[in-house]
Amino acid sequence: QKEVEQDPGPLSVPEGAIVSLNCTYSNSAFQYFMWYRQYSRKGPELLMYTYSSGNKEDGRFTAQVDKSSKYISLFIRDSQPSDSATYLCAMTAPGAGNMLTFGGGTRLMVKP
Amino acid sequence: DVKVTQSSRYLVKRTGEKVFLECVQDMDHENMFWYRQDPGLGLRLIYFSYDVKMKEKGDIPEGYSVSREKKERFSLILESASTNQTSMYLCASSHGAGTQYFGPGTRLLVL
Repeated sequence: QKEVEQDPGPLSVPEGAIVSLNCTYSNSAFQYFMWYRQYSRKGPELLMYTYSSGNKEDGRFTAQVDKSSKYISLFIRDSQPSDSATYLCAMTAPGAGNMLTFGGGTRLMVKP
Repeated sequence: DVKVTQSSRYLVKRTGEKVFLECVQDMDHENMFWYRQDPGLGLRLIYFSYDVKMKEKGDIPEGYSVSREKKERFSLILESASTNQTSMYLCASSHGAGTQYFGPGTRLLVL
């Protein structure tokens, strides 16, 4: 079993839909959580960073962490075709040094 | 903004060639990383470095070596390229235990 599980998709939604992307993890030591967005043939770019349970909002994006369930989510409101990309979750634990553990990524397609 | 640059976007090499991939970051980050990314396998860590001349093996170091002579520069070396090293190579840097910032990637094709 992988430490971080993420549905690879593809997830296809119409423009304007609310998108929910999810990751589950098994290591209860993970305390810091990130979402990266990766456009085709580009490097991942940091989208959201959070270290506590609950919600963090940034524009159309909301990151949610539920440590008791070992479950994190990224919500995208009013999705746009420009949101079409692969979304990677990543996480790390205190004392893990600089190492991130990544999910495999979910490919999202937003259709106009 | 953090900028991580990689020497090539696309590279085509022949089996047995020695391949150098270079990465440069401009934010004085002490940590630098090399990953490869393959469909269905996600991001896999090859090597990382937390200081000049320091290096640590990641999950898949076989067939690769690295060099970090200056803080801003981290090189990945394929001593004798093989077809199974055809992949997308991503460099990243970070400060402390913070988030990692990625370069644009190098698509390497080994024929």
